[in-house]
Amino acid sequence: EAQVTQNPRYLITVTGKKLTVTCSQNMNHEYMSWYRQDPGLGLRQIYYSMNVEVTDKGDVPEGYKVSRKEKRNFPLILESPSPNQTSLYFCASNKQGSPLHFGNGTRLTVT
Amino acid sequence: AQSVTQLDSQVPVFEEAPVELRCNYSSSVSVYLFWYVQYPNQGLQLLLKYLSGSTLVESINGFEAEFNKSQTSFHLRKPSVHISDTAEYFCAVRGIQGAQKLVFGQGTRLTINP
Repeated sequence: EAQVTQNPRYLITVTGKKLTVTCSQNMNHEYMSWYRQDPGLGLRQIYYSMNVEVTDKGDVPEGYKVSRKEKRNFPLILESPSPNQTSLYFCASNKQGSPLHFGNGTRLTVT
Repeated sequence: AQSVTQLDSQVPVFEEAPVELRCNYSSSVSVYLFWYVQYPNQGLQLLLKYLSGSTLVESINGFEAEFNKSQTSFHLRKPSVHISDTAEYFCAVRGIQGAQKLVFGQGTRLTINP
């Protein structure tokens, strides 16, 4: 089954404790991206990747890092999480010109 | 750059009534247009898309949207809604060329009352 898999689904952490949210896709898509969803703001792009070792900032990259060492994986790293990063995060992948496929989301709470 | 405005944050309707969720966009380049649906506690699913061709596009569950270039709109409609349509709906645009970034509207929460 074609899918984008994110883990974990729920995560509660404390300020400053490094965390990683994993994302994997099995569709051989070149493009992968991370979005955060906040009430009243819709989804905003954090980072995206056009292929292995090619990443770039989206609209709200501050406080986040990504890496793309393999085509299928695109982890999101928060080196020092803060409460304003409490949000619902989505990973997505797509082929050029095709719609995005989204994962089921990771709900992160930073206290 | 693109931007998307969904004019209603919440839309309550009665079951079997018609509904329209409004979406306007702005862009300096040609765009693709999408509607995504998010059911409670789930991720986003593609509902329908406009890439080219006929300006009226339909989904398998009875929704349709019409691309109106002159009004820069892509409103979503359904003639008769069901309880199962309760969800949040997001309009999104993406430039035809260049980066694959989707720009989303703020979302419209559709609530169906029996």
